[in-house]
Amino acid sequence: SQQGEEDPQALSIQEGENATMNCSYKTSINNLQWYRQNSGRGLVHLILIRSNEREKHSGRLRVTLDTSKKSSSLLITASRAADTASYFCATDGRGSSNTGKLIFGQGTTLQVKP
Amino acid sequence: EPEVTQTPSHQVTQMGQEVILRCVPISNHLYFYWYRQILGQKVEFLVSFYNNEISEKSEIFDDQFSVERPDGSNFTLKIRSTKLEDSAMYFCASISGTAYGYTFGSGTRLTVV
Repeated sequence: SQQGEEDPQALSIQEGENATMNCSYKTSINNLQWYRQNSGRGLVHLILIRSNEREKHSGRLRVTLDTSKKSSSLLITASRAADTASYFCATDGRGSSNTGKLIFGQGTTLQVKP
Repeated sequence: EPEVTQTPSHQVTQMGQEVILRCVPISNHLYFYWYRQILGQKVEFLVSFYNNEISEKSEIFDDQFSVERPDGSNFTLKIRSTKLEDSAMYFCASISGTAYGYTFGSGTRLTVV
């Protein structure tokens, strides 16, 4: 798989349920970030977790990072119809020229049904 | 909240024509980027720009592409001779430091016909 691969590719849940998306990556990282993209729109930064952090919370979002497994998960609790969007993980690789370049995954398309 | 502004939101151009995509990053940010997203595909890095020069570019960013920050405010991406496969959404982004999340613009949808 390529750097920053998410699964599942698509997820459909009912409002109020929790949504979990996973991301795997290959190389060492400085940080891992999650972004949301509504259809045809720009990318919105959700949360950044540094390589020395294991868990981070922001409102209804919870992100975990396991550097030994090179994986991360994004949990959205108590989902709402407005959470319907595509979610991407992106990694800022370590050992590069430290330009802040991000490598994005293919994304998970989340549909939250009212 | 500060925004990254991109213009135009949609541009249609004939194959072989030059296009310039414009971006106004957040004023106190130091690092600037262009990414593109072909419909239905992942977001791909094109180029990063710091201290008035390119700091990194991808294989996609060939001689047909160039970037400029002509006046300390605008950040432009030029494609000299567009191809059909250049059709994509182009995103500009900026950050204040490399340990921070990006602020992306809302994108320019480029359609090459």
